[in-house]
Amino acid sequence: EIVMTQSPATLSVSPGERATLSCRASQSVSSNLAWYQQKPGQAPRLLIYGASTRATGIPARFSGSGSGTEFTLTISSLQSEDFAVYYCQQYNNWPPRFGQGTKVEIK
Amino acid sequence: EVQLLESGGGLVQPGGSLRLSCAASGFTFSSYAMSWVRQAPGKGLEWVSAISGSGGSTYYADSVKGRFTISRDNSKNTLYLQMNSLRAEDTAVYYCAKATKSIAARQSFDYWGQGTLVTVSS
Repeated sequence: EIVMTQSPATLSVSPGERATLSCRASQSVSSNLAWYQQKPGQAPRLLIYGASTRATGIPARFSGSGSGTEFTLTISSLQSEDFAVYYCQQYNNWPPRFGQGTKVEIK
Repeated sequence: EVQLLESGGGLVQPGGSLRLSCAASGFTFSSYAMSWVRQAPGKGLEWVSAISGSGGSTYYADSVKGRFTISRDNSKNTLYLQMNSLRAEDTAVYYCAKATKSIAARQSFDYWGQGTLVTVSS
């Protein structure tokens, strides 16, 4: 099974600043990588699929990059509504696996 | 508008059974694979099971294989998860999630329900 490792576990950022989140796969997942945002008490929301394609309705400040084993989610200018937990997920191999999450908190 | 509404969660004793349902609307249900994903209290996301759009192919995480059964009724636009031999470690919020194609393999999840809480405790 592929193991997904996210870093850092917690990221403290001021509103308006840039946030960079990392996700590493234990073996290549090609570009079959998604990013989700989850706020307390809510279901996850798809942000990015195919490593770099924004899902419907996702603001342009969210961008994804990478392929193979190394991936990045960048939030160009953090808004108040962006403080949440972010998960990456590989869907190249069974079973689909999520990373442990990165919490983006207000600095 | 795509909507997924889970139901059937609750408190059950270890070794007991529970059946979750997910009522779907706003899309052609039979055209998309569906999955169950769970989240233990304060923990991350764990994929549990998937089923193809036709219902002909099913997949399970090792942690639930042989105990859980996923199924769907395309005439009722409803997804199910039959959970038997429940354990304390099955305690979690269970989400149903829609895939982006009819096949279950190599899919991200573009819509999620609000979740239903399953608590396994004596």
